[in-house]
Amino acid sequence: GDSVTQMEGPVTLSEEAFLTINCTYTATGYPSLFWYVQYPGEGLQLLLKATKADDKGSNKGFEATYRKETTSFHLEKGSVQVSDSAVYFCALTNAGKSTFGDGTTLTVKP
Amino acid sequence: KAGVTQTPRYLIKTRGQQVTLSCSPISGHRSVSWYQQTPGQGLQFLFEYFSETQRNKGNFPGRFSGRQFSNSRSEMNVSTLELGDSALYLCASSLVDSGSPISYNEQFFGPGTRLTVL
Repeated sequence: GDSVTQMEGPVTLSEEAFLTINCTYTATGYPSLFWYVQYPGEGLQLLLKATKADDKGSNKGFEATYRKETTSFHLEKGSVQVSDSAVYFCALTNAGKSTFGDGTTLTVKP
Repeated sequence: KAGVTQTPRYLIKTRGQQVTLSCSPISGHRSVSWYQQTPGQGLQFLFEYFSETQRNKGNFPGRFSGRQFSNSRSEMNVSTLELGDSALYLCASSLVDSGSPISYNEQFFGPGTRLTVL
């Protein structure tokens, strides 16, 4: 079946540091790829998405590019803020079924 | 537009009991999915309902069941509770546009129901 593998956390960065959270996937067909974020005490919310190869999703300074050749969808941000502290989930949707990674906890220190 | 709502927010049960959780999707959303979130297993897909029919199912035992009503509201039932069922249960709704492949659709998550089994 489909699977999503995220880099293990937790990740701790200083404010204004560069962020990369790796995500690779295994899936048949042509899945859509997503990054969701879960702030403390809240439900998940969509951060960005890409629906086909070479698409770049972006939102709030975060970016991720759908790389079919490497089956990857790495999340990046050039300069993180304390308010970015949260759990980040990489996910794919394929034929209506969603598969999530284990989540990566990001803590940004001032 | 109101978001996805889940009731109750917190629930404490004992082993062997059964429990029913409720989810009201965003108005107009016809797809409702359920997930179990635990520290050890992460976020796992339970099932998805669309137009009152279960369309997709994850790898959970038959103790976990669900249904969807004509107004798209959904319930999830867990019978014969086990300690390992303690988790945050998340519901997500999606607008399935007949003109777009369902894979494109963003899911909107509710705040979850925290179930503790003693």
